[in-house]
Amino acid sequence: DSGVTQTPKHLITATGQRVTLRCSPRSGDLSVYWYQQSLDQGLQFLIQYYNGEERAKGNILERFSAQQFPDLHSELNLSSLELGDSALYFCASSPRGSQSNSPLHFGNGTRLTVT
Amino acid sequence: AQKVTQAQTEISVVEKEDVTLDCVYETRDTTYYLFWYKQPPSGELVFLIRRNSFDEQNEISGRYSWNFQKSTSSFNFTITASQVVDSAVYFCALSEAVYNNAGNMLTFGGGTRLMVKP
Repeated sequence: DSGVTQTPKHLITATGQRVTLRCSPRSGDLSVYWYQQSLDQGLQFLIQYYNGEERAKGNILERFSAQQFPDLHSELNLSSLELGDSALYFCASSPRGSQSNSPLHFGNGTRLTVT
Repeated sequence: AQKVTQAQTEISVVEKEDVTLDCVYETRDTTYYLFWYKQPPSGELVFLIRRNSFDEQNEISGRYSWNFQKSTSSFNFTITASQVVDSAVYFCALSEAVYNNAGNMLTFGGGTRLMVKP
């Protein structure tokens, strides 16, 4: 058990809809990262938050947004969903904001299916 | 830009065979970090090892060993005496050193699916 909690585990929704994925980092970790794993794109970094502030941005679509709350949990909001957004979305956490030597600990992911 | 290549998309071995998973990376940084993660059929990503660019010592942990060769930009992973439970997708990843607020994002390779047959 990595200590990173993601909910829900599975989500099935229709095109055009909006969903929210939730992540609770490991106790003591200040950074939260979101990754998307799809068959054609592999594992792609979306966005990172550190102690409530956006720290780094990757290949995140404008239809997607995220935030980290004062209690350090994070939410990833996906809107105007398209079939191609179907993927496994991972959240990860690490204890420090800007140091590359901390391994990321991943949650079990949320599997999103857009029909 | 950084890039990680895992040329082997799928490997199939019989139990007790040794198997090596290849990882080649590209980076312009002199300081960087390399990782291996395991993704079993259940789907979670499990951290296996971290290595920084200044430490070229090979590492062994039980049946797992890693060979880091800076000269060839490779960080290969060997499983000795493979077991069925080793069946998973294995990802190599790279993180460049942080000089700004870029954070700890990882660039992953495409993964190698390892199937160990009894």
